[in-house]
This record gives sequence, C-alpha cells and structure tokens, in this order.
Amino acid sequence: RKEVEQDPGPFNVPEGATVAFNCTYSNSASQSFFWYRQDCRKEPKLLMSVYSSGNEDGRFTAQLNRASQYISLLIRDSKLSDSATYLCVVNRTGGFKTIFGAGTRLFVKA
Amino acid sequence: NAGVTQTPKFQVLKTGQSMTLQCAQDMNHEYMSWYRQDPGMGLRLIHYSVGAGITDQGEVPNGYNVSRSTTEDFPLRLLSAAPSQTSVYFCASSPTGGPRNGYTFGSGTRLTVV
Repeated sequence: RKEVEQDPGPFNVPEGATVAFNCTYSNSASQSFFWYRQDCRKEPKLLMSVYSSGNEDGRFTAQLNRASQYISLLIRDSKLSDSATYLCVVNRTGGFKTIFGAGTRLFVKA
Repeated sequence: NAGVTQTPKFQVLKTGQSMTLQCAQDMNHEYMSWYRQDPGMGLRLIHYSVGAGITDQGEVPNGYNVSRSTTEDFPLRLLSAAPSQTSVYFCASSPTGGPRNGYTFGSGTRLTVV
C-alpha cells in the first residue's frame, strides 16, 4: 500500500463546475500537508498548504481530517486554466521525508 | 531571482556512461533535494541536503551520488547509467525548516538512457 494515495482520475468537468479531490495518507506521524499543481511536462508548483482548521485561497479550499487521515481539495467555479495534475504531499514529523502522491488529473472543458 | 536552475533540460546517455545533473538556487535555501518522477508514480526522493557539507539518502539512492560544497549548488551524479534511470529529475529547495515550508522546484531534466 502506498503511503499517500490519490485517485488518478482523470476528472473531466465543465467550466464553472465544482470539483473535489481526496487524498489519504497512512503514516499517522505525518505533520505537514500540501497541494501542488503540475502542468503537463512542467515542474510541480506549490498551490497551498493545508491546515487543520481548513483554509481557503480564492476558489480553492483545502481541508485536513487527521482522525481519518485524509486531505481534500475543493475547486469552485472551475476555469480552463485549472486543467492540470494535482499532487497531494505529506511531510513526516521530525524528519525531512516528504511523500508525494502520484497525482489526480483534472480536465476542465469549455 | 532565478529561483532553482537545472541543467541540462534534456540528456540522452548510453548505458554505462556517467554524468552530472546540475542544480543551483539563489534564494539562500538551506534544504535541497533531488527527486525522480516516473509515469504513474509520485516523485521519489533520491538524496537530500540540510545544508552545505551535509547530505543524506532518500528513498531511491542507489546509482546516484551527491555533494553540497556550497549553499547554492547541489549536483547529482549518475555513476554508471542504466535504462532504469530513464526518468524526469527535479531538484527542489526549501527555506530553513525543510519541506514543511513547501518546495520550489527546478524545471526538470528529462534523461533517457539507451
């Protein structure tokens, strides 16, 4: 079993739709959580950190559920430019070990 | 600021050849790391460094060496290239505190070993 698991998708949604991705992690010692965005044949870029209380950045909302060991990303009012692969990233407590999920692909269509 | 600069962007090697992938950052980040990304898999950590003179192994270190003589540079050396090392390689850096502050990635090196 992978330490960080994501549904690979693809998710195909129309413009303006709301879409949500989940990510589960197996190591309860995990401390820091992030969502990264990766465009085709490009480097990953930090989208947002995920805090226990949940956090929002414009159309993007991230949630963390430590009890169930999953994090989520909600995208509202999807834009064509949101088409990308979204990587779930988990960092373990007390170390420098960062685990990347394999990513969820999103296609937003006109 | 240039951020994280990787060279070369593309490389084809023959089995058994050696080469060095270059990574430089101008943000004075203490933490630097190398990842490889293969289809259907997440990025996997090869080696990392928490500061000049300090390196450690990641998840998939075999066949690779690193050194960190300066804060800015963190080269990755392939000792004897194998087809299994065909991949996209990313260098990443982070401020003091390591990856819990998030990474800045270089644009990647696409390596093919034939």
